Amino acid sequence: QSVLTQPPSVSAAPGQKVTISCSGSGSNIGSSSVSWYQQLPGAAPKLLIYENTKRPSGIPARFSGSKSVTSATLAITGLQAGDEADYYCGTWDTSLSAGVFGGGTRLTVL
Amino acid sequence: EVQLVESGGGLVQPGRSLRLSCVGSGFSFDDYAMHWVRQAPGKGLEWLSGISWNGVTIVYADSVKGRFIISRDNAKNSLYLQMNSLRAEDSAFYYCAKANSVRSPGDYLGQGTLVTVSS
Repeated sequence: QSVLTQPPSVSAAPGQKVTISCSGSGSNIGSSSVSWYQQLPGAAPKLLIYENTKRPSGIPARFSGSKSVTSATLAITGLQAGDEADYYCGTWDTSLSAGVFGGGTRLTVL
Repeated sequence: EVQLVESGGGLVQPGRSLRLSCVGSGFSFDDYAMHWVRQAPGKGLEWLSGISWNGVTIVYADSVKGRFIISRDNAKNSLYLQMNSLRAEDSAFYYCAKANSVRSPGDYLGQGTLVTVSS
């Protein structure tokens, strides 16, 4: 059971927009910044978003992050077949004094 | 370009020890906190441990506290994870990660090294 809650799967057609939610509590998302990771099949997780909304260099603007109180959202616009992957959110939990991740969301591009 | 290269994984018997290493390049290693994260095959990410840039602050997940020891050598741009009393459930890909803070799940992850605990 993950501390952060993500939907197990989402799907959308190419060119469409999809959002992935990450729900937490005041001790994690409510008090720490959120990162998002993309894991393509057979590959290591790759940082997509850090500090809630920032994109590392090389990450397209199609990927964006937001945060509101105790939840965070990853949005992907202009979906491409190559976006099919597992997506994870992560943050720090001040009560647990530990890093925590969501259980992951599998994105299917129809 | 940030690069993190893990090594030291392999097949180990239950109860034995293993030491993982991670070498960082493309960034000022001693400016950043470092973390270890693992992922069992087909499962999600699990944060294990973090260490501040100077090694003073160290944090562990409950699942590995007392068995795993994180350390770093800034002169060698290296991060380590000493894993003792290994169990079958420790079998996973192990990733090192850099972060701006020790209070973080880790940001940039390496490519990982596979640890298999089995008799």
